[in-house]
Amino acid sequence: EIVMTQSPATLSVSPGERVTLSCRANQSITNNLAWYQQRPGQAPRLLISGASTRAPGVPARFSGSGSGTEFTLTISSLQSEDFGVYFCQQHYLWLSFGGGTKVESK
Amino acid sequence: QEQLVESGGGLVQPGNSLRLSCAASGFTFSSFGMHWVRQAPGKGLEWVAIISYDGRDEYYADSVKGRFTISRDNSKNTLYLQMNSLRPEDTAVYQCAKDDGFGEFLNYFMDVWGKGTTVTVSS
Repeated sequence: EIVMTQSPATLSVSPGERVTLSCRANQSITNNLAWYQQRPGQAPRLLISGASTRAPGVPARFSGSGSGTEFTLTISSLQSEDFGVYFCQQHYLWLSFGGGTKVESK
Repeated sequence: QEQLVESGGGLVQPGNSLRLSCAASGFTFSSFGMHWVRQAPGKGLEWVAIISYDGRDEYYADSVKGRFTISRDNSKNTLYLQMNSLRPEDTAVYQCAKDDGFGEFLNYFMDVWGKGTTVTVSS
């Protein structure tokens, strides 16, 4: 079983700040990683697939990096609409999700 | 606009059954694999099941295998989840999601999600 661990659990930030979220796998998943955003009361939204490929319509301020076991989602300049919970998901061996990082207003 | 809308959730006693539905619109439903994912209160997302575009292949998480059945009716653009022998630990928001792949090719990640329907298992 592949276990995904996200850190931190909560991040308090202000608009305009650079935000870095981490996701770690307990074994190599090469680049089979997706990132999702879930705003309060809304359905999750695919942001990144293949560890670094933005989904259609996703703003350029979102970027993904990493391979193997360590991955990062970066928001270059946080906008007010970016507050919410971010999940990573591996699809190298079946599917499993990280516990999420909540990005909240400072 | 691609959209998924779940229904059928509610309060059910342990050991009973419930069937969830997911109505799809805005895309060719019959061309894509579909998933059910759940999120228990205060916990992260848990993948539940996947069904191929034509309904021939189904796979389940170990936690629901033998109790839940995923199915689809492509003529109605609808996905289902039949949940039997429900347990308190099945309490969660259940979301359907579209696989990012196409046809027989499954990518095992999701590019369209519904908001979910709440299932509460309690006596």
